[in-house]
Amino acid sequence: QVQLQESGPGLVKPSETLSLTCAVSGHSISSGYYWGWIRQPPGVGLEWVGSIHHSGSTYYDPSLKSRVTISVDTSKSQFSLKLTSVTAADTAVYYCVGGRWLQTFDSWGQGNLVTVSS
Amino acid sequence: DIQMTQSPSSLSASVGDRVTITCRAGQSISTYLNWYQQRPGKAPILLIYAASTLQSGVPSRFSGSGSGTDFTLTISSLQPEDFATYYCQQSYSTPLTFGGGTKVEI
Repeated sequence: QVQLQESGPGLVKPSETLSLTCAVSGHSISSGYYWGWIRQPPGVGLEWVGSIHHSGSTYYDPSLKSRVTISVDTSKSQFSLKLTSVTAADTAVYYCVGGRWLQTFDSWGQGNLVTVSS
Repeated sequence: DIQMTQSPSSLSASVGDRVTITCRAGQSISTYLNWYQQRPGKAPILLIYAASTLQSGVPSRFSGSGSGTDFTLTISSLQPEDFATYYCQQSYSTPLTFGGGTKVEI
């Protein structure tokens, strides 16, 4: 059973960088799974941010690609999200996710609300 | 990007009712379609993948069907724990996109 746990600040100032980490347990992070991030603005639906394979291959939503970096640290069994130059539109609950395939998310973290505000 | 449209956006039902939710893709996606359930304040969980394959541990009252552009999620007999929001998601191509959600209320 894959377990995912997000961590990171709940408040980020406009124009700064949002950084979140997801700890993976119950499954080897190098086992062939895909890991990623999905966000949910308040009262709105789900938005895919991007995903990464343990080999390092990354896949990003084109609308965020210029600002997003997802990376994996196999030694710590965790992966991370960095989103630069944030605005209020980036305020959302950020979920880390995992799955056997790039396109399907069968494991979810509990979510981390990040508010962008000065 | 592939647009995903769900209908209805919300519905009211009673325990024991049969409920059907529809999802339409903006182009043909074969059977590359997933369904998720999100209870209030919780993370979504995967219910069905590849349009009709039940994820391990999901009750058999949930079923999915469809191919091409039109898909349905059916709950055969609604239970109290099924009152939630349901999302479809196309797994055909990146960027991966979700429908707007269907809220199932009492």
